Amino acid sequence: AQSVTQLGSHVSVSEGALVLLRCNYSSSVPPYLFWYVQYPNQGLQLLLKYTSAATLVKGINGFEAEFKKSETSFHLTKPSAHMSDAAEYFCAVRYTDKLIFGTGTRLQVFP
Amino acid sequence: DVKVTQSSRYLVKRTGEKVFLECVQDMDHENMFWYRQDPGLGLRLIYFSYDVKMKEKGDIPEGYSVSREKKERFSLILESASTNQTSMYLCASGTGGHEAFFGQGTRLTVV
Repeated sequence: AQSVTQLGSHVSVSEGALVLLRCNYSSSVPPYLFWYVQYPNQGLQLLLKYTSAATLVKGINGFEAEFKKSETSFHLTKPSAHMSDAAEYFCAVRYTDKLIFGTGTRLQVFP
Repeated sequence: DVKVTQSSRYLVKRTGEKVFLECVQDMDHENMFWYRQDPGLGLRLIYFSYDVKMKEKGDIPEGYSVSREKKERFSLILESASTNQTSMYLCASGTGGHEAFFGQGTRLTVV
């Protein structure tokens, strides 16, 4: 069965610093992968998705993620953090018609 | 824009009550989902539906049931609410197994 592991439940960065949120997946078939963001007291919003078209995927708000099959990873990055990026981030993998989520990483951004 | 609407943002119910959480989507999606979100556990799938009157158990269906009489509406039912069902409940819809679109969530407290 497919699963997703997010390393680090909390990540703290300074404003302007690189953001790196880690996600590893297990999948017996080529995966469809997603990153979602959740702001306080809101639902989840799609940041970006990988559907095998290109290994480097660009999303909203300056985020991007790179699919690395050899490492079974789909890490999320942003070159320069902004205070408004503080939120919880979830990686997910599609399994049949369902989305399987990781446990989430809370990003804090300090001024 | 896809809109997924959950009927309540906040609910407080008593132990033993029957609780209905309603979700409506406006994009004619075949698939609808109910997730439960708890700190440190991420999103866990309770039930999903891939067509009217069709449903499938997710990872944690115990204590819950669902109803989908119309394509746009998917209801989650807590037959007899218990304190361990205090949580954030998220409804989502999607098509073709790609990304899911989420509602704003219902924060349920059972006292």
